[in-house]
Amino acid sequence: AQSVTQLDSQVPVFEEAPVELRCNYSSSVSVYLFWYVQYPNQGLQLLLKYLSGSTLVESINGFEAEFNKSQTSFHLRKPSVHISDTAEYFCAVGLYNQGGKLIFGQGTELSVKP
Amino acid sequence: GAVVSQHPSRVICKSGTSVKIECRSLDFQATTMFWYRQFPKQSLMLMATSNEGSKATYEQGVEKDKFLINHASLTLSTLTVTSAHPEDSSFYICSAAGGSGEPQFFGPGTRLTVL
Repeated sequence: AQSVTQLDSQVPVFEEAPVELRCNYSSSVSVYLFWYVQYPNQGLQLLLKYLSGSTLVESINGFEAEFNKSQTSFHLRKPSVHISDTAEYFCAVGLYNQGGKLIFGQGTELSVKP
Repeated sequence: GAVVSQHPSRVICKSGTSVKIECRSLDFQATTMFWYRQFPKQSLMLMATSNEGSKATYEQGVEKDKFLINHASLTLSTLTVTSAHPEDSSFYICSAAGGSGEPQFFGPGTRLTVL
């Protein structure tokens, strides 16, 4: 069975520090991956995606994630975080034979402190 | 990214009443729409997958007679919580997708409170 594990439920960090939010998945078939961000009382917003090609993908607001097939990981990183990055982050895996259905990780609460 | 709207954003109702939540994809035709439920500080729980013109596929443990889903067009899906009870209080989120390999685009969510 497929699964997604976000290893850290909470990540507190100071402003301008680097951060890494970890995501590992388990699947016997090819996958595509997403990171979503959720601000309080809102829906999820797509942060970045990996479908194929370059394993390093970037978002417009400084986040990047690297798909590592051998380690079955898709960790999210940012070299310098802002207060406004405080939110819940979800890693999601899609399977090509599942009609667009996604499997979500448990979420990581990123808390950026001044 | 694509825009998905949800209406209403918040609803409070009495126990025993039914509540309808609308999900619209505003700028693209969604092959598939998904309905999720989210409890505080938790991940999303997929309730059902909805394809235009066909019956929804419900996840194990989700009562199809309680959570009625209609996907009338490529831009509109509705979730009706029938005979709502306090334990149905939750944050309901819909998403729309173009198909396998495509990201899901999420609505802003609906906060349902059943008194």
